[in-house]
Amino acid sequence: GDSVTQMEGPVTLSEEAFLTINCTYTATGYPSLFWYVQYPGEGLQLLLKATKADDKGSNKGFEATYRKETTSFHLEKGSVQVSDSAVYFCALSDSSNTGKLIFGQGTTLQVKP
Amino acid sequence: NAGVTQTPKFQVLKTGQSMTLQCAQDMNHEYMSWYRQDPGMGLRLIHYSVGAGITDQGEVPNGYNVSRSTTEDFPLRLLSAAPSQTSVYFCASRQTSGNSYEQYFGPGTRLTVT
Repeated sequence: GDSVTQMEGPVTLSEEAFLTINCTYTATGYPSLFWYVQYPGEGLQLLLKATKADDKGSNKGFEATYRKETTSFHLEKGSVQVSDSAVYFCALSDSSNTGKLIFGQGTTLQVKP
Repeated sequence: NAGVTQTPKFQVLKTGQSMTLQCAQDMNHEYMSWYRQDPGMGLRLIHYSVGAGITDQGEVPNGYNVSRSTTEDFPLRLLSAAPSQTSVYFCASRQTSGNSYEQYFGPGTRLTVT
């Protein structure tokens, strides 16, 4: 079945450092790919998405490119801030078009001043 | 719009007790779902619904029941709580057609079963 694998955390960075969180997926068909962010004590919010191969999603300085050849959707940001500290989830939308999301296990990011 | 709301925010149950977690959305979304979040396991789908009167099982449905009598509401019932159901529960909704639409999540219910 479809699945998502994320790099294990926690990831600890200093402010203004470059961030990469790896995400790879296994899916049949042509899923859409998402990154969600969860701030402490809150629900999940959509950070960015890509719906087809070679699409680049971007938001708040974060970017991810849908790479079909490597089945990857790595999250990057050029200069992280303390306020970026959160848990990041990679997800794909079930290719059966029922709307089900399949999540990776989440990666905790801690940014220190 | 309030978006997706969940009640209660916190709940402690004893083993064997029953309860209902409430979820409501005011965006007229057809699709609603329940997930549980456990450390190191991401979010796992419990049940989902593609419209009023239609529900289906997700990845981890055992021990949970759902019904969908209106577009707005999608309650999750625990008939006999077990310690393994200690978790954070999230309700989500989205438009139905296509797989590229964003899911909107509620703030979560933190449930502890002793």
